Amino acid sequence: DTGVSQDPRHKITKRGQNVTFRCDPISEHNRLYWYRQTLGQGPEFLTYFQNEAQLEKSRLLSDRFSAERPKGSFSTLEIQRTEQGDSAMYLCASSISGGGETQYFGPGTRLLVL
Amino acid sequence: AQSVAQPEDQVNVAEGNPLTVKCTYSVSGNPYLFWYVQYPNRGLQFLLKYITGDNLVKGSYGFEAEFNKSQTSFHLKKPSALVSDSALYFCAVRDWNSGYSTLTFGKGTMLLVSP
Repeated sequence: DTGVSQDPRHKITKRGQNVTFRCDPISEHNRLYWYRQTLGQGPEFLTYFQNEAQLEKSRLLSDRFSAERPKGSFSTLEIQRTEQGDSAMYLCASSISGGGETQYFGPGTRLLVL
Repeated sequence: AQSVAQPEDQVNVAEGNPLTVKCTYSVSGNPYLFWYVQYPNRGLQFLLKYITGDNLVKGSYGFEAEFNKSQTSFHLKKPSALVSDSALYFCAVRDWNSGYSTLTFGKGTMLLVSP
């Protein structure tokens, strides 16, 4: 399978704990995106990278959230001091930069904060 | 700012009948428009996109969409629905004049195709 992969697929944690998610993009894709999706809503943009540079961050990305893409390949999204409101599906997508580029999504990581 | 509206939370259609899932958008410049489909507990799968050129775009699984600039719409259509088309459909827009690369998604429309 050469699609976008995410790990873990599910995560249950207690409020106040830190969690880290990983995304492996399609190998030749230089752009990588993180989105959050809550029940009944469409995906909401969090941040994106071109190669290893983080180019945009949403206002949704509070200071408890941090994302990295250290070698321009895989990316991690860390949430510190989780809150119940962080419960959501976290989606990763990748693309090749270009005007009408298509973003290809991974299966997502479903986070439940108790 | 860019935004997308999907006015119907749910669309019901009988198998074999044509289907339409509506989408309208708002951008300050010119749009790139996308349709994605999501099955339960899965990520989004790309269906089709409008970049430029012909207003009628054909995509995967027999779906097509028509770009209408005057009505700022990009409705998804299929001539004959299948039960297996039942899923959650998302329209998304990117303003290619904005310099931003991010997509803005609608809230989604649940399509239910009955046998």
